[in-house]
Amino acid sequence: GALVYQYPRRTICKSGTSMRMECQAVGFQATSVAWYRQSPQKTFELIALSTVNSAIKYEQNFTQEKFPISHPNLSFSSMTVLNAYLEDRGLYLCGAGEGAGSNERLFFGHGTKLSVL
Amino acid sequence: GDQVKQSPSALSLQEGTNSALRCNFSIATTTVQWFLQNPRGSLMNLFYLVPGTKENGRLKSTFNSKESYSTLHIRDAQLEDSGTYFCAAEHNYAQGLTFGLGTRVSVFP
Repeated sequence: GALVYQYPRRTICKSGTSMRMECQAVGFQATSVAWYRQSPQKTFELIALSTVNSAIKYEQNFTQEKFPISHPNLSFSSMTVLNAYLEDRGLYLCGAGEGAGSNERLFFGHGTKLSVL
Repeated sequence: GDQVKQSPSALSLQEGTNSALRCNFSIATTTVQWFLQNPRGSLMNLFYLVPGTKENGRLKSTFNSKESYSTLHIRDAQLEDSGTYFCAAEHNYAQGLTFGLGTRVSVFP
């Protein structure tokens, strides 16, 4: 079946340093990958959406300079949180899409819990 | 994957009718969250549940940990209820969240 492995599950970094999280799609081709961050209200805000053959589209309040994303092939994506500070703490989630339009199915990783000291 | 089975995969509702979505869990679950994906792609949190029931407007959700399932009831469906709903289970803090595969809801006049 289709699975998304997201790692690490939990990570701690020092304030001002960077950390990278990765997602691996297994059993399907991830034609799109979305990265999210969970807000205090528990909503997962979309950070950016990467679609094959298109530029990565960042949502308002999120930038490539802060959250660079790589989507080099149909099975892998990574996102880095650069210069992490306390406000970057939280649960980050990747979702990998198979198919397109109304036929698209989304598969989610388990999330990466980021703590910043 | 199989740890969270969400059903149905798609649902077509006439405006004003009621329906329910369900998630069954195959491993012990501590909390359940329900989300609706908005047109911009974000996952809007509808409910965060420990065992029990919560209600918010026309939506009501129950998490029964003993029988390992959660339901989301939509009452008096409106056009704006259309979208993809996801449930997500937390098994323990270290394991993060496990999402269901979603239910695509279409409400028609």
